[in-house]
Amino acid sequence: DVKVTQSSRYLVKRTGEKVFLECVQDMDHENMFWYRQDPGLGLRLIYFSYDVKMKEKGDIPEGYSVSREKKERFSLILESASTNQTSMYLCASSRAGTSGRNEQFFGPGTRLTVL
Amino acid sequence: ILNVEQSPQSLHVQEGDSTNFTCSFPSSNFYALHWYRWETAKSPEALFVMTLNGDEKKKGRISATLNTKEGYSYLYIKGSQPEDSATYLCALCNNAGNMLTFGGGTRLMVKP
Repeated sequence: DVKVTQSSRYLVKRTGEKVFLECVQDMDHENMFWYRQDPGLGLRLIYFSYDVKMKEKGDIPEGYSVSREKKERFSLILESASTNQTSMYLCASSRAGTSGRNEQFFGPGTRLTVL
Repeated sequence: ILNVEQSPQSLHVQEGDSTNFTCSFPSSNFYALHWYRWETAKSPEALFVMTLNGDEKKKGRISATLNTKEGYSYLYIKGSQPEDSATYLCALCNNAGNMLTFGGGTRLMVKP
């Protein structure tokens, strides 16, 4: 059974803290993604990685950074958490390929609250 | 940022009703259209990936159609069941890579 796991289901942090969200996939996928989901806004792409150490900014990268040191692991970093980063964070992975034909597999999400 | 719109935002139907909802998107630079189902407390799961104008795909009681020239896709559920209750997301790929732009979702609630 294919799997994308995220380090925490729920997380509460304080403003200004550095926050790490971890994602691991066991499908040997080249592509990994971080999204946030807010009510009425659907999923918005924060960052995308297509290979180890490679990354591309998504639609809303401000205030976030990412790290991909190993193929199976993709970390999202909030350098200095702010209250407007309170959200549900979803990680996903997919096989490499062109033309967007490959479905994405999602983790269960991390609900982050920044106080 | 692309504008991918889904309507309605939410929908309540009775068990046994058939229903459909819409995803509209810019028709230029189309590569693929994805549909995902996201049940509460679970991860989103892919239903369909559609790439060709006129595509029709079916999985059990759920089917989808695609019109890339006018920029819309319909998702149909025949004989809705309570277990169909979920948020249905569509997502557009308009680039040669793998990035998707998601719509806001349609939240379906099926009453027994």
